[in-house]
Amino acid sequence: NAGVTQTPKFQVLKTGQSMTLQCAQDMNHEYMSWYRQDPGMGLRLIHYSVGAGITDQGEVPNGYNVSRSTTEDFPLRLLSAAPSQTSVYFCASSSPGQRAGSFFGQGTRLTVV
Amino acid sequence: DAKTTQPPSMDCAEGRAANLPCNHSTISGNEYVYWYRQIHSQGPQYIIHGLKNNETNEMASLIITEDRKSSTLILPHATLRDTAVYYCIVRPGYSGAGSYQLTFGKGTKLSVIP
Repeated sequence: NAGVTQTPKFQVLKTGQSMTLQCAQDMNHEYMSWYRQDPGMGLRLIHYSVGAGITDQGEVPNGYNVSRSTTEDFPLRLLSAAPSQTSVYFCASSSPGQRAGSFFGQGTRLTVV
Repeated sequence: DAKTTQPPSMDCAEGRAANLPCNHSTISGNEYVYWYRQIHSQGPQYIIHGLKNNETNEMASLIITEDRKSSTLILPHATLRDTAVYYCIVRPGYSGAGSYQLTFGKGTKLSVIP
Protein backbone atom coordinates (compact mmCIF):
# COMPACT_ATOMS: atom_id res chain seq x y z
CA ASN A 1 0.00 0.00 0.00
CA ALA A 2 2.19 2.84 -1.30
CA GLY A 3 -0.34 5.70 -0.99
CA VAL A 4 0.91 8.78 -2.89
CA THR A 5 4.33 8.45 -4.50
CA GLN A 6 6.30 11.40 -5.83
CA THR A 7 9.44 11.26 -7.94
CA PRO A 8 12.08 12.53 -7.91
CA LYS A 9 12.67 13.50 -4.26
CA PHE A 10 15.30 16.09 -5.18
CA GLN A 11 16.04 17.95 -8.41
CA VAL A 12 18.30 20.78 -9.50
CA LEU A 13 17.45 22.56 -12.73
CA LYS A 14 19.05 25.34 -14.68
CA THR A 15 16.97 28.36 -15.57
CA GLY A 16 15.02 27.70 -18.75
CA GLN A 17 15.08 23.92 -18.50
CA SER A 18 11.86 21.95 -18.44
CA MET A 19 10.98 18.90 -16.40
CA THR A 20 8.10 16.80 -15.15
CA LEU A 21 7.40 15.97 -11.53
CA GLN A 22 5.67 12.64 -11.22
CA CYS A 23 2.83 11.77 -8.85
CA ALA A 24 1.07 8.42 -8.61
CA GLN A 25 -1.54 7.10 -6.19
CA ASP A 26 -2.81 3.56 -5.75
CA MET A 27 -5.98 4.31 -3.77
CA ASN A 28 -8.27 4.87 -6.78
CA HIS A 29 -8.85 8.46 -5.67
CA GLU A 30 -10.62 10.70 -8.15
CA TYR A 31 -9.25 13.97 -6.85
CA MET A 32 -5.55 14.87 -7.14
CA SER A 33 -3.76 18.15 -6.65
CA TRP A 34 -0.37 19.82 -6.65
CA TYR A 35 0.84 22.30 -4.02
CA ARG A 36 4.02 24.23 -3.59
CA GLN A 37 5.52 25.27 -0.27
CA ASP A 38 8.02 28.07 0.04
CA PRO A 39 10.18 28.51 3.16
CA GLY A 40 8.16 29.45 6.24
CA MET A 41 4.90 29.39 4.32
CA GLY A 42 1.86 27.20 4.10
CA LEU A 43 1.05 25.18 1.01
CA ARG A 44 -0.42 26.90 -2.06
CA LEU A 45 -2.52 25.11 -4.65
CA ILE A 46 -1.08 25.02 -8.17
CA HIS A 47 -3.44 22.78 -10.17
CA TYR A 48 -6.00 20.13 -9.37
CA SER A 49 -7.99 17.42 -11.10
CA VAL A 50 -11.37 15.96 -10.17
CA GLY A 51 -10.99 12.97 -12.45
CA ALA A 52 -9.27 11.62 -15.55
CA GLY A 53 -9.37 14.18 -18.34
CA ILE A 54 -10.42 17.04 -16.04
CA THR A 55 -8.00 19.62 -14.66
CA ASP A 56 -8.27 23.16 -13.37
CA GLN A 57 -6.09 25.94 -12.03
CA GLY A 58 -5.46 26.67 -8.41
CA GLU A 59 -4.03 29.74 -6.73
CA VAL A 60 -0.59 29.82 -8.40
CA PRO A 61 -0.80 28.07 -11.82
CA ASN A 62 1.54 30.24 -13.91
CA GLY A 63 4.54 28.40 -15.30
CA TYR A 64 3.05 24.94 -14.72
CA ASN A 65 1.04 22.51 -16.84
CA VAL A 66 -0.83 19.37 -15.82
CA SER A 67 -2.73 16.58 -17.49
CA ARG A 68 -4.67 13.61 -16.13
CA SER A 69 -4.86 10.74 -18.58
CA THR A 70 -5.36 8.06 -15.90
CA THR A 71 -6.86 7.97 -12.42
CA GLU A 72 -3.52 6.97 -10.94
CA ASP A 73 -1.16 9.59 -12.36
CA PHE A 74 -1.06 13.38 -12.22
CA PRO A 75 2.25 14.78 -13.55
CA LEU A 76 3.24 18.41 -13.10
CA ARG A 77 5.27 19.99 -15.89
CA LEU A 78 7.51 22.99 -15.53
CA LEU A 79 7.68 24.56 -18.97
CA SER A 80 10.71 26.85 -18.53
CA ALA A 81 12.10 26.75 -15.02
CA ALA A 82 12.74 30.02 -13.19
CA PRO A 83 14.47 30.63 -9.84
CA SER A 84 11.08 31.71 -8.44
CA GLN A 85 9.95 28.10 -8.86
CA THR A 86 12.49 26.90 -6.31
CA SER A 87 10.23 25.26 -3.77
CA VAL A 88 9.02 22.00 -2.29
CA TYR A 89 6.22 20.44 -4.29
CA PHE A 90 3.57 18.19 -2.77
CA CYS A 91 1.03 16.03 -4.52
CA ALA A 92 -2.19 15.01 -2.75
CA SER A 93 -5.15 12.77 -3.45
CA SER A 94 -8.59 12.21 -1.97
CA SER A 95 -11.92 10.62 -2.80
CA PRO A 96 -15.31 12.30 -3.34
CA GLY A 97 -17.36 12.36 -0.22
CA GLN A 98 -14.43 11.04 1.77
CA ARG A 99 -14.30 12.75 5.11
CA ALA A 100 -10.98 11.29 6.15
CA GLY A 101 -8.86 13.97 4.63
CA SER A 102 -6.33 14.08 1.83
CA PHE A 103 -3.25 11.93 1.48
CA PHE A 104 0.00 13.70 0.66
CA GLY A 105 3.21 12.50 -0.93
CA GLN A 106 6.58 13.13 0.67
CA GLY A 107 7.44 16.01 -1.61
CA THR A 108 9.89 16.94 -4.35
CA ARG A 109 12.54 19.49 -3.43
CA LEU A 110 13.29 21.54 -6.54
CA THR A 111 16.08 24.08 -6.87
CA VAL A 112 16.37 26.26 -9.97
CA VAL A 113 19.75 27.92 -10.44
CA ASP B 1 -8.43 36.30 2.85
CA ALA B 2 -7.55 33.88 5.59
CA LYS B 3 -10.39 31.73 6.85
CA THR B 4 -8.59 30.61 10.01
CA THR B 5 -6.36 32.25 12.60
CA GLN B 6 -3.82 30.31 14.64
CA PRO B 7 -1.03 31.37 17.01
CA PRO B 8 2.34 31.13 15.24
CA SER B 9 3.98 28.98 17.91
CA MET B 10 3.37 27.09 21.14
CA ASP B 11 5.41 25.03 23.56
CA CYS B 12 4.24 21.98 25.46
CA ALA B 13 5.99 19.80 28.03
CA GLU B 14 6.40 16.17 27.06
CA GLY B 15 3.63 14.04 28.53
CA ARG B 16 1.28 16.95 29.02
CA ALA B 17 -1.76 17.77 26.91
CA ALA B 18 -1.19 20.12 23.99
CA ASN B 19 -4.14 22.39 23.27
CA LEU B 20 -3.93 24.14 19.90
CA PRO B 21 -6.55 26.85 19.26
CA CYS B 22 -8.01 27.98 15.97
CA ASN B 23 -10.40 30.81 15.20
CA HIS B 24 -12.72 30.47 12.20
CA SER B 25 -15.29 33.17 12.87
CA THR B 26 -16.56 33.30 9.26
CA ILE B 27 -17.22 29.56 8.98
CA SER B 28 -20.43 28.73 7.17
CA GLY B 29 -22.94 26.05 7.98
CA ASN B 30 -21.66 23.46 5.50
CA GLU B 31 -17.96 23.87 6.26
CA TYR B 32 -15.99 21.32 8.20
CA VAL B 33 -12.95 22.00 10.37
CA TYR B 34 -9.93 19.88 9.45
CA TRP B 35 -6.59 19.57 11.16
CA TYR B 36 -3.36 18.50 9.50
CA ARG B 37 0.22 18.47 10.71
CA GLN B 38 3.56 18.63 8.95
CA ILE B 39 6.65 17.12 10.52
CA HIS B 40 10.11 18.21 9.35
CA SER B 41 8.81 19.44 5.97
CA GLN B 42 7.38 16.02 5.18
CA GLY B 43 4.03 15.83 3.44
CA PRO B 44 1.10 17.04 5.59
CA GLN B 45 -0.67 14.34 7.56
CA TYR B 46 -4.40 14.32 8.23
CA ILE B 47 -5.27 14.30 11.95
CA ILE B 48 -8.99 14.81 12.49
CA HIS B 49 -12.02 16.73 11.30
CA GLY B 50 -15.46 17.75 12.56
CA LEU B 51 -18.59 19.72 11.74
CA LYS B 52 -20.14 20.70 15.05
CA ASN B 53 -19.80 17.78 17.43
CA ASN B 54 -16.64 17.04 19.35
CA GLU B 55 -14.59 14.28 17.75
CA THR B 56 -11.93 11.90 19.01
CA ASN B 57 -9.69 9.41 17.27
CA GLU B 58 -6.48 7.59 18.07
CA MET B 59 -4.39 10.68 17.41
CA ALA B 60 -6.30 13.58 18.93
CA SER B 61 -9.53 15.18 20.07
CA LEU B 62 -11.29 18.09 18.41
CA ILE B 63 -13.44 20.44 20.44
CA ILE B 64 -15.66 22.83 18.45
CA THR B 65 -17.48 25.64 20.23
CA GLU B 66 -21.24 25.73 20.06
CA ASP B 67 -21.23 28.76 17.75
CA ARG B 68 -18.56 26.98 15.62
CA LYS B 69 -16.43 30.10 15.50
CA SER B 70 -13.45 28.43 17.10
CA SER B 71 -12.01 25.03 17.83
CA THR B 72 -9.23 23.38 19.80
CA LEU B 73 -7.12 20.42 18.81
CA ILE B 74 -6.03 18.39 21.81
CA LEU B 75 -3.09 16.00 21.82
CA PRO B 76 -3.69 14.27 25.16
CA HIS B 77 -0.13 13.17 25.96
CA ALA B 78 2.32 15.03 23.77
CA THR B 79 5.56 13.31 22.80
CA LEU B 80 8.68 14.64 21.12
CA ARG B 81 7.42 13.12 17.87
CA ASP B 82 4.44 15.49 17.98
CA THR B 83 6.74 18.46 17.33
CA ALA B 84 5.37 19.78 14.04
CA VAL B 85 3.47 22.58 12.35
CA TYR B 86 -0.27 22.13 12.86
CA TYR B 87 -2.72 23.51 10.31
CA CYS B 88 -6.38 24.26 10.94
CA ILE B 89 -8.39 24.35 7.70
CA VAL B 90 -12.06 24.89 6.93
CA ARG B 91 -13.53 23.40 3.78
CA PRO B 92 -16.99 22.73 2.38
CA GLY B 93 -18.62 19.43 3.13
CA TYR B 94 -20.26 18.99 -0.29
CA SER B 95 -18.65 16.89 -2.99
CA GLY B 96 -18.05 19.63 -5.54
CA ALA B 97 -14.60 20.54 -6.83
CA GLY B 98 -14.22 23.34 -4.31
CA SER B 99 -14.56 20.92 -1.45
CA TYR B 100 -11.26 19.27 -2.30
CA GLN B 101 -9.11 22.37 -2.25
CA LEU B 102 -7.25 22.91 1.00
CA THR B 103 -6.27 26.46 1.91
CA PHE B 104 -3.25 26.34 4.19
CA GLY B 105 -2.24 29.24 6.39
CA LYS B 106 1.06 29.34 8.27
CA GLY B 107 -0.20 27.10 11.05
CA THR B 108 1.06 26.75 14.61
CA LYS B 109 4.54 25.44 15.22
CA LEU B 110 4.24 23.16 18.25
CA SER B 111 7.45 22.40 20.10
CA VAL B 112 7.27 19.54 22.61
CA ILE B 113 9.93 20.06 25.24
CA PRO B 114 11.52 17.18 27.19
